[in-house]
Amino acid sequence: NAGVTQTPKFQVLKTGQSMTLQCAQDMNHEYMSWYRQDPGMGLRLIHYSVGAGITDQGEVPNGYNVSRSTTEDFPLRLLSAAPSQTSVYFCASSYSLTGGDNYGYTFGSGTRLTVV
Amino acid sequence: GENVEQHPSTLSVQEGDSAVIKCTYSDSASNYFPWYKQELGKRPQLIIDIRSNVGEKKDQRIAVTLNKTAKHFSLHITETQPEDSAVYFCAARGYQKVTFGIGTKLQVIP
Repeated sequence: NAGVTQTPKFQVLKTGQSMTLQCAQDMNHEYMSWYRQDPGMGLRLIHYSVGAGITDQGEVPNGYNVSRSTTEDFPLRLLSAAPSQTSVYFCASSYSLTGGDNYGYTFGSGTRLTVV
Repeated sequence: GENVEQHPSTLSVQEGDSAVIKCTYSDSASNYFPWYKQELGKRPQLIIDIRSNVGEKKDQRIAVTLNKTAKHFSLHITETQPEDSAVYFCAARGYQKVTFGIGTKLQVIP
């Protein structure tokens, strides 16, 4: 049981380049989300998914796309990287937000992205 | 949408003393309030949580209280130890979204 696996751990991009941050969980979690963490701003929600085939925007979605073709995977795509997207990105999952006993997030190990 | 405010942003305590971190939320429909601890360079990890139908929950040296009327909840750490030094985040779960506070950097001085 690996939990939530994020790749890569580090990435440097040039402005305008695109890339995909990978996130996979093996806990059969329904809910998956992406956050970015910036100093003094906490964790801000980018996109989330309540199940396979369903995604929605969070607080800061501009410049990012997501898809959820399977329960396990929730990749985050940067369409055209900008220096403002320099941040630490965390994927997080939980069983559900609407029922059950375990609501808490399991986080991935994070991706430190620098856009130059 | 939900707004979560967290205070203080930094907190220094002597080893053995207690630490209290406070959060307020805006959405009265929020019904689940977790707390996460993040050590330097690591991922956030859930340390305690509370649901809206409970006023207080305790787990060893850690306790969380919730006042639904005032829309605030607090984390209490007693008998602090150096390994408690970390950034602590509160969060509130509303409809399909979890909103985090900005974090509190706790330093426990030996």
